[in-house]
Amino acid sequence: AQKVTQAQTEISVVEKEDVTLDCVYETRDTTYYLFWYKQPPSGELVFLIRRNSFDEQNEISGRYSWNFQKSTSSFNFTITASQVVDSAVYFCALSDAGGTSYGKLTFGQGTILTVHP
Amino acid sequence: DGGITQSPKYLFRKEGQNVTLSCEQNLNHDAMYWYRQDPGQGLRLIYYSQIVNDFQKGDIAEGYSVSREKKESFPLTVTSAQKNPTAFYLCASSRDRDSGNTIYFGEGSWLTVV
Repeated sequence: AQKVTQAQTEISVVEKEDVTLDCVYETRDTTYYLFWYKQPPSGELVFLIRRNSFDEQNEISGRYSWNFQKSTSSFNFTITASQVVDSAVYFCALSDAGGTSYGKLTFGQGTILTVHP
Repeated sequence: DGGITQSPKYLFRKEGQNVTLSCEQNLNHDAMYWYRQDPGQGLRLIYYSQIVNDFQKGDIAEGYSVSREKKESFPLTVTSAQKNPTAFYLCASSRDRDSGNTIYFGEGSWLTVV
């Protein structure tokens, strides 16, 4: 069975601070995909990144960076120099390639990030 | 604009009523999904469809029904059998059934039972 754990329920930071959102996953498959989504107050889930299990290269996109470590089954997300517009709920999700999952996502419970001015 | 359109944004249902949430996509995606979100929880899969005229139950399908008569449309009916329907419902789509494809989401629909 797949499982995604986001242990941090809520995080509060002051603008310009760096913040890391943790994500730990469980899967029996050797091929799988990890995702991060952002959910602003409007409700829509905005896709941020996809990473497959064979690519452990870390990625940086502007102020966002992701650290994927298979050895610890973690896929952490760091926002550098946070801004008020980063305030949202962030979800980590997992999709495995086996069985009948057919692309469905297993989500963590989400981390509420609040960035104060 | 290309994307996924859900309607209505807000819907109120009386006890015992069936309601239908609309989901339309113009991304030419084969696969479509319905997820439910409850406060403080992640999303849970209700139904998904990989091709027209075919759909499969997700993790919490009881009390819901869907149809997929057209590639671009995947409406969700919340029936009176759903005991606790108040939630935020998100429709999504992906290019095809490949699990590596990114799933894109609509803006969601809030359903409240009154």
